[in-house]
Amino acid sequence: GAVVSQHPSWVICKSGTSVKIECRSLDFQATTMFWYRQFPKQSLMLMATSNEGSKATYEQGVEKDKFLINHASLTLSTLTVTSAHPEDSSFYICSARPGARTDTQYFGPGTRLTVL
Amino acid sequence: GEDVEQSLFLSVREGDSSVINCTYTDSSSTYLYWYKQEPGAGLQLLTYIFSNMDMKQDQRLTVLLNKKDKHLSLRIADTQTGDSAIYFCAGVRGNTGKLIFGQGTTLQVKP
Repeated sequence: GAVVSQHPSWVICKSGTSVKIECRSLDFQATTMFWYRQFPKQSLMLMATSNEGSKATYEQGVEKDKFLINHASLTLSTLTVTSAHPEDSSFYICSARPGARTDTQYFGPGTRLTVL
Repeated sequence: GEDVEQSLFLSVREGDSSVINCTYTDSSSTYLYWYKQEPGAGLQLLTYIFSNMDMKQDQRLTVLLNKKDKHLSLRIADTQTGDSAIYFCAGVRGNTGKLIFGQGTTLQVKP
């Protein structure tokens, strides 16, 4: 149980284009999902907290107009990197929390974004 | 705020026990977590311990929690080459539900 998927697993795009990454909880409902970014050989950096049916809460220093988050259902959150640039190249990981009574997060497999 | 620290690297021989240590500053976390990350993959929840427990054992994994010293450890018995990965400990920041991760410990298992 508690499986989270991400799609795509990797994507290469040209500078200036937008890329959408999907995060799905497959066997549970997630009122809250989180989006992280991970640089090589580093820990995870929380970008934003996404609550179903409401606006995402962004961490300090994360541009909300650059990283658009939508959490339209209890099993799906999307992260759109708009007008991507090479510095946006990174490993993006989402996680999902099955309800408000637990802090436990289950993570997706990650999406490798490379912007040329 | 919460700060979580881990040693960066541990090397052991196959069959030995591995002990990965973690210290944290915020004692309000209800749970403390251990995650495993293999190359190019997401994080796999290994185990977690409730803050009012001292120890939790799950097959080859033993978690020890010393609340007084704010020290958490993960012991892996009979370490196998498949255990080679990065291990993250994590606490929860206050009442936010946000996980705060350590830097990750790279475990290298030599045959």
